[in-house]
Order: sequence, then structure tokens, then C-alpha cells
Amino acid sequence: DVKVTQSSRYLVKRTGEKVFLECVQDMDHENMFWYRQDPGLGLRLIYFSYDVKMKEKGDIPEGYSVSREKKERFSLILESASTNQTSMYLCASSFLTFGGGRQETQYFGPGTRLLVL
Amino acid sequence: RKEVEQDPGPFNVPEGATVAFNCTYSNSASQSFFWYRQDCRKEPKLLMSVYSSGNEDGRFTAQLNRASQYISLLIRDSKLSDSATYLCVGGYGGATNKLIFGTGTLLAVQP
Repeated sequence: DVKVTQSSRYLVKRTGEKVFLECVQDMDHENMFWYRQDPGLGLRLIYFSYDVKMKEKGDIPEGYSVSREKKERFSLILESASTNQTSMYLCASSFLTFGGGRQETQYFGPGTRLLVL
Repeated sequence: RKEVEQDPGPFNVPEGATVAFNCTYSNSASQSFFWYRQDCRKEPKLLMSVYSSGNEDGRFTAQLNRASQYISLLIRDSKLSDSATYLCVGGYGGATNKLIFGTGTLLAVQP
């Protein structure tokens, strides 16, 4: 059974603080993803990683950075939190696609609700 | 812009009804499609994968029409527990691992 865990379910931070969100998966997945989800906007991809120390920007990377030092762990960093980063943050993981145009199922963690005051 | 579009609803249906959601996608390179279910304040969970023309799992049937670029989800004999938001998801295609998520369709099954 796939398990993706996130370090916090709820987090309250102040503007300007550095924020770390951690995600761990136990399925030996190569890919890991960070999304944010906002009402009316759906899930938007922030960053993803297909291997240790590899990262690629998603659709909305501004104001975020990531770190993948171990295969099972993917961290999202808000260098200086701002109120417009208040959101639900979802981590996901999947196996690597082997080409042919197919993408693999992504499995999600429970999410972190971040409030920036 | 690559997009997946869905009717946000809400779809209010009585228990036992059959309900269908449609979803259109604009990326003709997409070959993988998924329906996820998301309960209020919870994470999305995979309901069904669609890699060919369709898929069926119990009361749920998904169909893919590549010519018209839409995917549908049919739920038969609706249960109260089916109430949730249903996310239509398409793959980017090519060698990337990225998915494109629709904003979801809200289903409320009434007793």
C-alpha cells in the first residue's frame, strides 16, 4: 500500500519566515511532486523531481525552492513566506514513466494547510 | 496553453441515480488519463486510470474519446458516500512525468 506522508497537517507562519514542508514516500518512487491547491484554481505544480538531487520547475515556482537529498524525501522551502502563499500544499509521488507518452499514477500525501499571517 | 476543463457543478442527484461528468482536454499528445476523487479537506485519491478507450470498475465507468478530446465518468446507482469532488486529469504526453489537473466537479448525492 502506497504511503506518502507530510510533516505537518496545519501550519501557521508569519510573513517573512522561512518555511520547510517535508514529504516522505515509502514506495521507492522515482518521481516526487509539490502542488498547491486553491479554490477555483485546482492543483498547480510548483516543482518536481525525477531523481535524487534533480529538480525541475513546474508552473508556479516563484517564491519556492526544493531539495531532494534522498530518494524517499522531497522538501519544499518558502524562503520568505508571504500572505499569498497561504494555501493547501500537496505532495505526490509516482514511478518514472518509461516513455511511449504514458504518465504514471500519482499518489498524494494528506496535505499541509499553511496560513501565513 | 494545455488545459483540462470540467463543469464545476454542483451536481445534486438523489440516491440511486445515474450521473455523468464530462471533461475536455486540449493537449492532443495526452495518452494517460485519470479520474481522482477528493473529499472535502482531504487529498485526491485515484478512482480510475484510463489508458485506452475506457475502463470499468463496479458502478464506475470511464470512457475516452480521442477524436473529440473528452473523457467521461459515469456513476451508476449513486450512494451518499459518492459525494465528493471528482478531478479529471490528463498526462502531458511525451517523456515528462507531469499531469494536468482539472479544477474538479462537485457531486452531492441526496438521501
